Amino acid sequence: GAGVSQSPRYKVTKRGQDVTLRCDPISSHATLYWYQQALGQGPEFLTYFNYEAQPDKSGLPSDRFSAERPEGSISTLTIQRTEQRDSAMYRCASSPLDGESYEQYFGPGTRLTVT
Amino acid sequence: AQTVTQSQPEMSVQEAETVTLSCTYDTSESDYYLFWYKQPPSRQMILVIRQEAYKQQNATENRFSVNFQKAAKSFSLKISDSQLGDAAMYFCAYRSWGNTPLVFGKGTRLSVIA
Repeated sequence: GAGVSQSPRYKVTKRGQDVTLRCDPISSHATLYWYQQALGQGPEFLTYFNYEAQPDKSGLPSDRFSAERPEGSISTLTIQRTEQRDSAMYRCASSPLDGESYEQYFGPGTRLTVT
Repeated sequence: AQTVTQSQPEMSVQEAETVTLSCTYDTSESDYYLFWYKQPPSRQMILVIRQEAYKQQNATENRFSVNFQKAAKSFSLKISDSQLGDAAMYFCAYRSWGNTPLVFGKGTRLSVIA
C-alpha cells in the first residue's frame, strides 16, 4: 500500500473487555513495530516482528498484551481484560529489513479509551 | 539501556524567529542514529531530520538543522524562520545500529506566536 494503515482509528471499550488492533504495513517492509503512547508522553516500544518472527517482546507491559503477524504482513495487537491504564495511542511502524537508514514509517495510530 | 532526555517540556517562538530544542541521550554504543520527529495536533508522526552518529557533519533539511555533539551526547534541533505550521510536539529519538526499535524522549511542545 501507499503507507502504513491502522484500524480502527478510535476504539472505546469497557474495562474488562478484550480489544484487537490491526496494522497493515507498507507491503515491501519486512519489519513491523508496535509502540504505545500515553497522553503527553513519547511513544514507548512494545514489540516488533521481522516477517512473522517476533524477536523482542520485552516492551509488552503484561501478559494481557500479545501480538502476532502470522503471514509476515498484517499484524494485530490484542489486549485482554482491558484496564483504564491501557488507554493510550497505539502506533504501528514499518521498516525495510535492509538499508542504511532503516527509517520507520508510522501509521496514524489507534486511540484506545478504556472506560 | 539507552535513554533520551528532553529537558524543555514547552517552548515558544515568535513567527520568523529561530528556536533551538534540546536533547541529550545516554548510550555506550558508538554507532547509532538520532532523529527528530514532529507530532502536530493530528497526532501523526512526521520525521523531521536524521543524523548518523558516524557522520561529523550536522544534518540539515531546509529550515531545520541539528547540532550534534557526539562526545557530549547532545542533539539539538534548530528551527529557523519559524512558521505557524511548525507548532507541534517534537520528539527526539535514538536508534541503535541496525533495524532496532526507537527510544523516544518525552517531547517538547513548541508554540509559534504570530
